[in-house]
Amino acid sequence: KAGVTQTPRYLIKTRGQQVTLSCSPISGHRSVSWYQQTPGQGLQFLFEYFSETQRNKGNFPGRFSGRQFSNSRSEMNVSTLELGDSALYLCASAQGQVTGELFFGEGSRLTVL
Amino acid sequence: TQLLEQSPQFLSIQEGENLTVYCNSSSVFSSLQWYRQEPGEGPVLLVTVVTGGEVKKLKRLTFQFGDARKDSSLHITAAQPGDTGLYLCAGPGGAGGTSYGKLTFGQGTILTVHP
Repeated sequence: KAGVTQTPRYLIKTRGQQVTLSCSPISGHRSVSWYQQTPGQGLQFLFEYFSETQRNKGNFPGRFSGRQFSNSRSEMNVSTLELGDSALYLCASAQGQVTGELFFGEGSRLTVL
Repeated sequence: TQLLEQSPQFLSIQEGENLTVYCNSSSVFSSLQWYRQEPGEGPVLLVTVVTGGEVKKLKRLTFQFGDARKDSSLHITAAQPGDTGLYLCAGPGGAGGTSYGKLTFGQGTILTVHP
């Protein structure tokens, strides 16, 4: 069973630009969550999608958005990038239960210059 | 807001030593999970504890959930270099203790086991 795939793995952007990250969940998983990981704040929840609907959202500004497609693949977008957005962005898939196991991808490391 | 505090933040030990990592909260959690993350990879689930007082063993790793479901511990016996990594505790982070894909993570414990 293929794992969670995130692309790109690494990217460098400059302040003010926008970025789109992609996540392909494990086959059969309909829930996709996104997390931001930084040395200072640790892992913080961004949002969760299930069957193309956002079911849960963390405390991040509106510059962070996401969507899910009918095949469960998900994208997240960050607009007007700031230096503080430099982080590892992790995607996790799950079958959709309330507190089930999350299967994480390897992450997309974003550096904002 | 439910918070999880882990201690210690850093642990550097020699192969063969034992260690314990703690995860504490002032809130009650319906369950707690422990993940391990290695450099360049995403976290991988080690165990989920659900019942207060529960003890689960995974080879040399022993996990315990506090009776009041506010704390948990991870004990590693005879640590090996392969145990090196970031250990994270996590609990359902939604209102009322439920969540959809949302986990509240502790800050993590960076473990280094020297050969």
